[in-house]
Amino acid sequence: DAGVTQSPTHLIKTRGQHVTLRCSPISGHKSVSWYQQVLGQGPQFIFQYYEKEERGRGNFPDRFSARQFPNYSSELNVNALLLGDSALYLCASSTARGLPQETQYFGPGTRLLVL
Amino acid sequence: DAKTTQPPSMDCAEGRAANLPCNHSTISGNEYVYWYRQIHSQGPQYIIHGLKNNETNEMASLIITEDRKSSTLILPHATLRDTAVYYCIVRVVHLNTGNQFYFGTGTSLTVIP
Repeated sequence: DAGVTQSPTHLIKTRGQHVTLRCSPISGHKSVSWYQQVLGQGPQFIFQYYEKEERGRGNFPDRFSARQFPNYSSELNVNALLLGDSALYLCASSTARGLPQETQYFGPGTRLLVL
Repeated sequence: DAKTTQPPSMDCAEGRAANLPCNHSTISGNEYVYWYRQIHSQGPQYIIHGLKNNETNEMASLIITEDRKSSTLILPHATLRDTAVYYCIVRVVHLNTGNQFYFGTGTSLTVIP
């Protein structure tokens, strides 16, 4: 079975540009979460989507947005890129929201470099 | 904000048990403890999780203290491939904002030949 897939694997952008990152969850998973991992730190929660609706948002500026499609895949968009947005962006999928046990399975990530 | 505290680094001899501690003194009654590991900036890999009972799977064992304020991840026979950053996470459920995993900085485990 395919795990969580993300595209692209690597990306280089310049300051002020816009970027779109894509994620396909594990088949049967309806929830997708996005995380940002800056070098040397643990992943930081950005968004959670369940059944195409935003269910959670971390402490990130409005330049960050996301959406989930009917097939449960998801896009993360970042506008007006800053140097500090350089990071590994991780997508994780899970079966449902709100259950006492909800294991998230992570994709390989997209490494974004902003110059 | 991370709700866990872990030592920044640990060494373990190959073939020996690796015991990774984690403090989560503010954990609530319905919050689970999860462990993930991350190798070479790949995506974090799920290891194990538990609520209050000890858990074991093919990868590791999880020992949670009776007061649930701390836990230990045990890799019974560490191999070189177990060298990674290990994250202890308390899963927080917000009724209006969904489920969030709060990662700290983790423990960098080095398995030594």
